[in-house]
Amino acid sequence: EIVLTQSPGTLSLSPGERATLSCRASQSVSNTYLAWYRQRPGQAPRLLLYGTFSRATGTPDRFSGSGSGTDFTLTISRLEPEDFALYYCQQYGSSPLTFGGGTKVEIK
Amino acid sequence: EVQLVESGGGLVQPGRSLRLACATSGFTFDDYAMHWVRQGPGKGLEWVSGINWNSENIGYSDSVKGRFTISRDGAKNSLNLQMKSLRVEDTALYYCVKAARRLSSYYEFSAFDFWGPGTMVTVAS
Repeated sequence: EIVLTQSPGTLSLSPGERATLSCRASQSVSNTYLAWYRQRPGQAPRLLLYGTFSRATGTPDRFSGSGSGTDFTLTISRLEPEDFALYYCQQYGSSPLTFGGGTKVEIK
Repeated sequence: EVQLVESGGGLVQPGRSLRLACATSGFTFDDYAMHWVRQGPGKGLEWVSGINWNSENIGYSDSVKGRFTISRDGAKNSLNLQMKSLRVEDTALYYCVKAARRLSSYYEFSAFDFWGPGTMVTVAS
């Protein structure tokens, strides 16, 4: 099983600031099969990025993804109020499919 | 508009069974893999099970293998999860999830592009 470790656990930032979220895998993940989701309180997760780099339909261009192998990054260039939420990475190239433990982006 | 609506959750005693269903609309159900993902109270996301478009490829997490059975009904555009021998640690919000990739032979290799609101399962005596 591929274990995904997200860091930091919590990120305290102000609106307009840049956020950098990390996802580290216990073994190599093809960058074709790495996704990021945002979950707001009381809501289901929403797909932001897939295949490491590709934005899902409706994802603003302030969200970008990078990485390869075991280290992946989600960058939010300028935080909007709706971006203060939980973020999960997921690998879907090897069963069992797995999620990271999440990073909470909170208002400083 | 894609819609996924789960049902069947509730309070159940340890060791008992429960069957979840997910009604879908707004897309060609037969073309896409589907999944169940759960989230314990205050916890992260856990993939439970996935099934490809024609039910020939099915997978489970180790925590539910042998106890849960996923199935799909193309005539009703529905996804099901039969849960047996329920444990306290199965308590969670269960999401029905659609894969993004069309007509894949595998339940893997696709991110999840639509999620239902979830149905809560509570296992307690």
